[in-house]
Amino acid sequence: EDKVVQSPLSLVVHEGDTVTLNCSYEVTNFRSLLWYKQEKKAPTFLFMLTSSGIEKKSGRLSSILDKKELFSILNITATQTGDSAVYLCAVSIIQGAQKLVFGQGTRLTINP
Amino acid sequence: KAGVTQTPRYLIKTRGQQVTLSCSPISGHRSVSWYQQTPGQGLQFLFEYFSETQRNKGNFPGRFSGRQFSNSRSEMNVSTLELGDSALYLCASSPTGQGAHEQYFGPGTRLTVT
Repeated sequence: EDKVVQSPLSLVVHEGDTVTLNCSYEVTNFRSLLWYKQEKKAPTFLFMLTSSGIEKKSGRLSSILDKKELFSILNITATQTGDSAVYLCAVSIIQGAQKLVFGQGTRLTINP
Repeated sequence: KAGVTQTPRYLIKTRGQQVTLSCSPISGHRSVSWYQQTPGQGLQFLFEYFSETQRNKGNFPGRFSGRQFSNSRSEMNVSTLELGDSALYLCASSPTGQGAHEQYFGPGTRLTVT
């Protein structure tokens, strides 16, 4: 069965800290890995990763994929209270359809 | 470009009733996927439509069904509602059916079954 596991499930840090969120996966037909940010509404797309070792960066957020070890990390530097959210990792699998398998999410809380 | 839209945003139904949810994808997107989000199970894939054809279905009972129209708009139907169907139902659209593409989510429909 296809599985995506995120860790930690919950994280509380102070504003200005750097955080690393982890995502490991076991799927049969990997196509890509996606990161989303979810506040009190729909998930917002952050990154899509398809190749190992190539860092994707957007402002203070960055992510990288290791297809050999089957994991990805999402880094957030100089955290702000607005970064508080649930961060979801999802893997797109090849099944002739656009299907995402999601992890449980990491709830990140940034305290001022 | 307008984002993914879903209607209605909130819905309260009684056990045994049926419900229809609607999703309009981003203009030009032809793939629409549906997900159920609950606190216990997280986000789970329901089904995906591309060019009016269902291409994949998740592990949900037959009470959950859907369809897609020629303009790519999609509807999801749940019949004989159960309390456990209370959830946030999200749809996501993607540009094409091939290759690796990001999916963009709509705001969701919050369904409460009493």
